[in-house]
Amino acid sequence: NAGVTQTPKFQVLKTGQSMTLQCAQDMNHEYMSWYRQDPGMGLRLIHYSVGAGITDQGEVPNGYNVSRSTTEDFPLRLLSAAPSQTSVYFCASSYSPRVSGRSTNEKLFFGSGTQLSVL
Amino acid sequence: GENVEQHPSTLSVQEGDSAVIKCTYSDSASNYFPWYKQELGKRPQLIIDIRSNVGEKKDQRIAVTLNKTAKHFSLHITETQPEDSAVYFCAASIYGGSQGNLIFGKGTKLSVKP
Repeated sequence: NAGVTQTPKFQVLKTGQSMTLQCAQDMNHEYMSWYRQDPGMGLRLIHYSVGAGITDQGEVPNGYNVSRSTTEDFPLRLLSAAPSQTSVYFCASSYSPRVSGRSTNEKLFFGSGTQLSVL
Repeated sequence: GENVEQHPSTLSVQEGDSAVIKCTYSDSASNYFPWYKQELGKRPQLIIDIRSNVGEKKDQRIAVTLNKTAKHFSLHITETQPEDSAVYFCAASIYGGSQGNLIFGKGTKLSVKP
């Protein structure tokens, strides 16, 4: 298994440009999420999904869109990039007890991260 | 929603000493408390977790304690080694809840001096 794959690893955008961060997992996880990591701010939840066709907002959703057309993929879209979106972005996935009925833990598997700079 | 506070933000110890990181949470319904370690330039990885029906859990040199009444939990690392140097994040969630979203603390940068 490749685990959670994120692309690209680095990206530089100009203010107002749009782009999509890609995230794919091959572990058949129901739950997927996007976090941003800023110095001194920890990991903040942007959007999440508990299954294909279902998405919802996290702590800091403004300026970002997501979709979940398949179990494997969960792309994050920046429609009009702003300097405040300069950050490191992590995609993560896990089993979802609510959906699958599993009694396993909620260990999050993180992707390798995307370092985004908006000028 | 849930809010997780983590202290201290930085911690420096001598090799062989113990390190303690503390977290408090706000939502009394939270029942799952993991700790993640993030080495420089790497992704966060789970090192230990605890559920609300347990007061303490150990795994070799690391242990986590939970006080549900006070709504706080702590990470204890004994006999610290240079490879323990990293940023540590605590988190809380409602396991089995409608989302199970993990809400993280702001992190503690641990430095272990040889």
